[in-house]
Amino acid sequence: QTVVTQEPSFSVSPGGTVTLTCGLTSGSVSTSYYPSWYQQTPGQAPRTLIYSTNTRSSGVPNRFSGSILGNKAALTITGAQADDESDYYCVLYMGNGIWVFGGGTKLTVL
Amino acid sequence: EVQLVESGGGLVQPGGSLRLSCAASGFTFSDYSMNWVRQAPGKGLQWVSYISTSNTIYYADSVKGRFTISRDNAKNSLYLEMNSLRDEDTAVYYCARVRGYNYGFSFDYWGQGTLVTVSS
Repeated sequence: QTVVTQEPSFSVSPGGTVTLTCGLTSGSVSTSYYPSWYQQTPGQAPRTLIYSTNTRSSGVPNRFSGSILGNKAALTITGAQADDESDYYCVLYMGNGIWVFGGGTKLTVL
Repeated sequence: EVQLVESGGGLVQPGGSLRLSCAASGFTFSDYSMNWVRQAPGKGLQWVSYISTSNTIYYADSVKGRFTISRDNAKNSLYLEMNSLRDEDTAVYYCARVRGYNYGFSFDYWGQGTLVTVSS
């Protein structure tokens, strides 16, 4: 069974930089999994931030960037702001109409 | 404006059934594949099921054999028939539009979700 891993929680200071990662318990994440990232605040539907590893969705500030770091996908927030405090989910496309979400990272900005 | 509006959630007993709907507007529904994604209370997102424009269908192992996804392009609607419901199916169910290869098979629009509670 494929398990996608994310840090359960992370903390960043306002104006700081944070990198959240998305890995696999078995194997490496590559661009072939088309990693995408979603932001969710309590009670709201998810919002698309990044797709295809590193492409920002329309309207997403350029302080959000995606990449592959080593064997994981990564979401970097540069110059974190208070309203970036959210849950962040990565999802990998396994092919054949199947996706697997990571467990999510709760980001605190303080 | 693209809109996805889910309905049909509610309280159901274990072993019961429920049918969720997702009404789509603001785009040509038949041109897009669609997904159902759920989120248990206080938990993360979980992909549930996929239906393509040509009705190719896939399910997560946890719902295979119990849930049935379908679509009615004439009604711009997506459905999820849920049978043999279990406590662990309790969640907010979202429908989400899927973009194709050029957009990394990502989800670009989500509904606001409908809550399904399975409890006796």
